[in-house]
Amino acid sequence: NAGVTQTPKFQVLKTGQSMTLQCAQDMNHEYMSWYRQDPGMGLRLIHYSVGAGITDQGEVPNGYNVSRSTTEDFPLRLLSAAPSQTSVYFCASSYSAGTQETQYFGPGTRLLVL
Amino acid sequence: AQKITQTQPGMFVQEKEAVTLDCTYDTSDQSYGLFWYKQPSSGEMIFLIYQGSYDEQNATEGRYSLNFQKARKSANLVISASQLGDSAMYFCAMREGILDKIIFGKGTRLHILP
Repeated sequence: NAGVTQTPKFQVLKTGQSMTLQCAQDMNHEYMSWYRQDPGMGLRLIHYSVGAGITDQGEVPNGYNVSRSTTEDFPLRLLSAAPSQTSVYFCASSYSAGTQETQYFGPGTRLLVL
Repeated sequence: AQKITQTQPGMFVQEKEAVTLDCTYDTSDQSYGLFWYKQPSSGEMIFLIYQGSYDEQNATEGRYSLNFQKARKSANLVISASQLGDSAMYFCAMREGILDKIIFGKGTRLHILP
């Protein structure tokens, strides 16, 4: 299993540009989510999905869109990039089995908006 | 109001000593889950341990254990016999409800001293 993969690893955008951060998992997990990590802020939830066709907003959804057409993929779209969106973005997927639950993270995408 | 509170921004601990990292949470749900993650300086997020709200026994994974005190709404991480490689950022997180969003605390930076 490749686990959770994210592309690109690093991206530079100009203000106003749009882009899509890709996230894929090959573990057949129903739950997937996107976080951003800023210094001193921990991880903040942007959007999450509990299955194909179902998405919901997290703590900081403004400026981002998501869709979940398949179980495997959960792309994050920046509609019009702003310098405040400079951050490290993590995608994660999780599953529960009985009383155990595990969440796996991708390696992250470092985004710089100029 | 913060849902997950980690009151120790930083800690210094001597190698081989036990470490307790504090985490308190706030929820009115009966069903929830608590997670701990490690983030070394390389940046990846590593899942450490999970505790479900209905689990009566504290979760353990190797040197990690979760001290779950439901009435106090605390879920402290205990690392036994700390090692230099334990130096990292540690995050507590909570999922409210079933297959609902997982949100994070701001983290505690742990330094293990030789």
